[in-house]
Amino acid sequence: AQSVAQPEDQVKVAEGNPLTVKCTYSVSGNPYLFWYVQYPNRGLQFLLKYITGDNLVKGSYGFEAEFNKSQTSFHLKKPSALVSDSALYFCAVRDSFSGGYNKLIFGAGTRLAVHP
Amino acid sequence: EAGVTQFPSHSVIEKGQTVTLRCDPISGHDNLYWYRRVMGKEIKFLLHFVKESKQDESGMPNNRFLAERTGGTYSTLKVQPAELEDSGVYFCASSPLAGGSDTQYFGPGTRLTVL
Repeated sequence: AQSVAQPEDQVKVAEGNPLTVKCTYSVSGNPYLFWYVQYPNRGLQFLLKYITGDNLVKGSYGFEAEFNKSQTSFHLKKPSALVSDSALYFCAVRDSFSGGYNKLIFGAGTRLAVHP
Repeated sequence: EAGVTQFPSHSVIEKGQTVTLRCDPISGHDNLYWYRRVMGKEIKFLLHFVKESKQDESGMPNNRFLAERTGGTYSTLKVQPAELEDSGVYFCASSPLAGGSDTQYFGPGTRLTVL
C-alpha cells in the first residue's frame, strides 16, 4: 500500500542549529514528493517539491529537502533554525494510481519547536 | 492574486444537523480537491473535481457527504446528517489543469466540531 511516514511527532531544536524533519514513503513508480507547512491558525503552505532532477531541492524560507531513492526518504532540512519556523510540517506523495492527477497521500505531520 | 478561500473558518453543530462547507479555488484553477484531517492524524483525500466533474471520489467516507461544483468554480461539501466522527479540519486545494498542475494550493481549512 502507498504510504508516507513521519516517524517523529515532534522535533525540538535550538535557534541557530540545523534542523531535520524526517519523511519516508512507499509508492509505486517514480515519486512526486512534497513538503507543506501549517503555521498556527493558518492553512497549509507549499514549501517545496521533488519531481525529477537534482536530489537536493530548495524551497521557501531557506528550507531544502534531499530525495534519497535507495532509502525512500525525503527529509526536510534547514541549516539554521529560526523561532518563526515553529509550525506543523507535512510530507506528502502523489498517489501513483491517481491517473496522472495529483491526489496526495500525507504523513501524520511533525511539530517543529524551535526555542531561543 | 487571491488564494484559496474557505467558509466558514469554524463550525460547531450538533449531531444530526446539516453543515455546508464552501471552497473558492484560485481563479482559473480547474482542479479542486477536498481533504480532511481528523483527530490530529494524517490529512486524507476526500475527492477531486476537474472543472465541474468528479474525477475521483474514492475518499468520501459515506453517503452522508455530498460535494458539488456547479459551474466549475466554487465547491460545496455538505454533511447530512453530521456524526461525531465527522469532526476535524476540512481543507480545500486547487491547481491548474496544466502547467504547474502538480502543486496544490491549500485554503486555511474549516474546523468542524460535531457535538
